[in-house]
Amino acid sequence: EPEVTQTPSHQVTQMGQEVILRCVPISNHLYFYWYRQILGQKVEFLVSFYNNEISEKSEIFDDQFSVERPDGSNFTLKIRSTKLEDSAMYFCASRPELVGNTIYFGEGSWLTVV
Amino acid sequence: DQQVKQNSPSLSVQEGRISILNCDYTNSMFDYFLWYKKYPAEGPTFLISISSIKDKNEDGRFTVFLNKSAKHLSLHIVPSQPGDSAVYFCAASHNAGGTSYGKLTFGQGTILTVHP
Repeated sequence: EPEVTQTPSHQVTQMGQEVILRCVPISNHLYFYWYRQILGQKVEFLVSFYNNEISEKSEIFDDQFSVERPDGSNFTLKIRSTKLEDSAMYFCASRPELVGNTIYFGEGSWLTVV
Repeated sequence: DQQVKQNSPSLSVQEGRISILNCDYTNSMFDYFLWYKKYPAEGPTFLISISSIKDKNEDGRFTVFLNKSAKHLSLHIVPSQPGDSAVYFCAASHNAGGTSYGKLTFGQGTILTVHP
């Protein structure tokens, strides 16, 4: 069964450093998402991406965050200058065009900012 | 943000019995609801969904019921199996247009433990 893959599975970074989280969505999917879950809290929407541009973003997704689809397969989330409060599990997700709301999540990248 | 609430942090059930997980929402614009299951260190896995035009959707051992007037949905698992032990998340969406699909608001999750 096709799946969304994410790398790295776990990254530890110093506060103020840049981090790039990578995702390979399911191959025939056209909508891409990033969500995050801070330990003990809800899974939260960050951003949606379609046709090489951001469709929607949450209040969390401020100027230190950016997303990119640099080639036909990868979808990346960049955090420019990490803060302690960015420590969370970051989930990439994707969905096929025209198919409802069901999105398919990757296994997550656990980011620890120290 | 309390638009989607799962008031029971945990539920313990005997194998073979029914598990009922509950979810309440406050945003009347939500028109599509999903349940996801999550194991530790894994991403959420889609289980079942329901559109607001229906009040019930069934898939094997899983049934979701939607009560729009009460803004309440529930997930029934019958019979429960030890492998069902996981965190279950309720999620909701408002279909304002194509690009809003997939923007989900999650509940805080319920830990289900099914004892052999």
